[in-house]
Amino acid sequence: DAGVIQSPRHEVTEMGQEVTLRCKPISGHDYLFWYRQTMMRGLELLIYFNNNVPIDDSGMPEDRFSAKMPNASFSTLKIQPSEPRDSAVYFCASTPGRSYGYTFGSGTRLTVV
Amino acid sequence: AQKITQTQPGMFVQEKEAVTLDCTYDTSDPSYGLFWYKQPSSGEMIFLIYQGSYDQQNATEGRYSLNFQKARKSANLVISASQLGDSAMYFCAMREGLPGGGADGLTFGKGTHLIIQP
Repeated sequence: DAGVIQSPRHEVTEMGQEVTLRCKPISGHDYLFWYRQTMMRGLELLIYFNNNVPIDDSGMPEDRFSAKMPNASFSTLKIQPSEPRDSAVYFCASTPGRSYGYTFGSGTRLTVV
Repeated sequence: AQKITQTQPGMFVQEKEAVTLDCTYDTSDPSYGLFWYKQPSSGEMIFLIYQGSYDQQNATEGRYSLNFQKARKSANLVISASQLGDSAMYFCAMREGLPGGGADGLTFGKGTHLIIQP
């Protein structure tokens, strides 16, 4: 199994630009999570999906952030417009259920200048 | 109040010694899960071990074991015979229960930076 696949690994963009992060979960995992990691705030849950349906988006910081999961094998996290304070590592994770480990992707390091 | 507390920001340990990383949690939910993750300097998050709140025995995975003390709300990670490759950030995390038994997002502690010295 290839694990959770995220792209790109690194993204540098200018303030005001749109950024799209991508994630492919492990096949058969019904849950997909987006996390953000910063030095100041640690690991924060942004949003998660169950069977492609958004369940809890209370962690999404602002309307500039949006996430979709059009099918079981693909999800996107979009930031529009991006700001320097959005700079962080964004992780995608998936799990088949509550009693299993949550497998994380390698993360996308986003830098907004 | 913090749901997951890791009181050791950093630890230095001699190679081959056992290591205990502390984690306390706060929940009123009777059904929850506790997780430990390792994050090496390369940045990936590696799942180490899981303990369910109803599990009678402490979880073990190779050199990792979880010292689960439910009454104290404590879930310490024990690494036996530490190795240089164990140097990393270690995060404790909790998943609280949901009606119907679904999975929920993990809440993470701030982490402990473990350095193994030769």
